[in-house]
Order: sequence, then C-alpha cells, then structure tokens
Amino acid sequence: SQELEQSPQSLIVQEGKNLTINCTSSKTLYGLYWYKQKYGEGLIFLMMLQKGGEEKSHEKITAKLDEKKQQSSLHITASQPSHAGTYLCGADESREGNTPLVFGKGTRLSVIA
Amino acid sequence: DTEVTQTPKHLVMGMTNKKSLKCEQHMGHRAMYWYKQKAKKPPELMFVYSYEKLSINESVPSRFSPECPNSSLLNLHLHALQPEDSALYLCASSQGPSGRYGGGYTFGSGTRLTVV
Repeated sequence: SQELEQSPQSLIVQEGKNLTINCTSSKTLYGLYWYKQKYGEGLIFLMMLQKGGEEKSHEKITAKLDEKKQQSSLHITASQPSHAGTYLCGADESREGNTPLVFGKGTRLSVIA
Repeated sequence: DTEVTQTPKHLVMGMTNKKSLKCEQHMGHRAMYWYKQKAKKPPELMFVYSYEKLSINESVPSRFSPECPNSSLLNLHLHALQPEDSALYLCASSQGPSGRYGGGYTFGSGTRLTVV
C-alpha cells in the first residue's frame, strides 16, 4: 500500500513568517489531498491536486504537486494563529480513483505571537 | 447542506455496554466511511460503504459492526469494547468511491469515545 511521508513532523513559527510542509510518496500520486485538523475535531478539506505541476491557492495557502507526481508541498504565507493545527496529506492509491484515502502522519503547526 | 453530522460528540461506555455512533449526510454522496484516529496518529480506515453496500472492511474486530440503513445514514454499533478502543471516530462521505470526483472527502467532527 502507499506510504506517505510528511515533513517536518512538527513546526513552530513566529506569526507573519512563511512555512512549507512536504508530503512524499513511494508511488505515483493520482489524487493528492490536503486537510487541516484542529485537535479532537474533524478534518477540513483544503485542496486537491491531480496533475503533475499543478498548483492551487486558497487565501494564504498554496499547494503544489511536482511533475513526477510523487511529492506535494503546502506553503503558508505570512502565518497567523488561525493557521495552527495539524496538516495531513492524503492520497488515493489507484489510477482509476476507486480506492479510499490513506493519510500521512501529519505535521503539527504552532504559530506564536 | 454541505455537512457530515456525527452524534454523539462524546461517549463514555463500559466494556459490557452496547452503544451506537451515528453519521448523517444530505449531500447525495454515495460513499461513506468510518475512520478511527488515536491521539497524534493519522486516521485509519475501518469500513467503506459504496452505494449502501459494505465494500471494504479493514480487518476490524467484530465488536465493531457497521450499518448503512440508507444512502444518508451510517451507523457504527459498538459492543464489548476494550479500553484500547478509546479514540476519535470519524465519519466521512464522498461523491464516488474515492474523493477524486467532487472535491475530496467531507468529514464529520467526530465522536470522542472513551471505554472504561
């Protein structure tokens, strides 16, 4: 089965700083999803990437999928306390898109004033 | 309605109790999922229902029994659980078998289960 490695495991940044989280797979990423989770709560969908080289942005968060479709990055510009939480990448394992998502272990982000 | 609603939000149960977790969505999604998440760990898939039929059971112990009464409802029946089953139980839904068509999975806020 697909293994997703996220780095770093945790991150503490000062408010206003930029940061990047990475998600790497041993296999081709046919569908790559980024979610955010506050402690003890459900996962909030951020973005989905499918095509090599694809890039999407929402407010101050930008996600990219590399050309080889084995690595994705999530970049936050000018971080705010509201960005704090755990960011998880998820991927479906099949080209046809008929298998459920598996998740990386997450990156825990803290934003300090 | 773009939400997945899970009830209850918190549940404490003894090892001899029988309880049920409920999940509801009205987005017309035809796939529904149960995930289990321990603290500081990623969600782990338990069951998948596709078009109201159980399509995946990830070798989950029989003390967990899923049920999909209709396309909007998903239940998880619990019986004779162990303290190590304490976790956050997440329900999710998607338009198709994966999240690729329709923008990913929509997750509920979860049920925090404590087994004593």
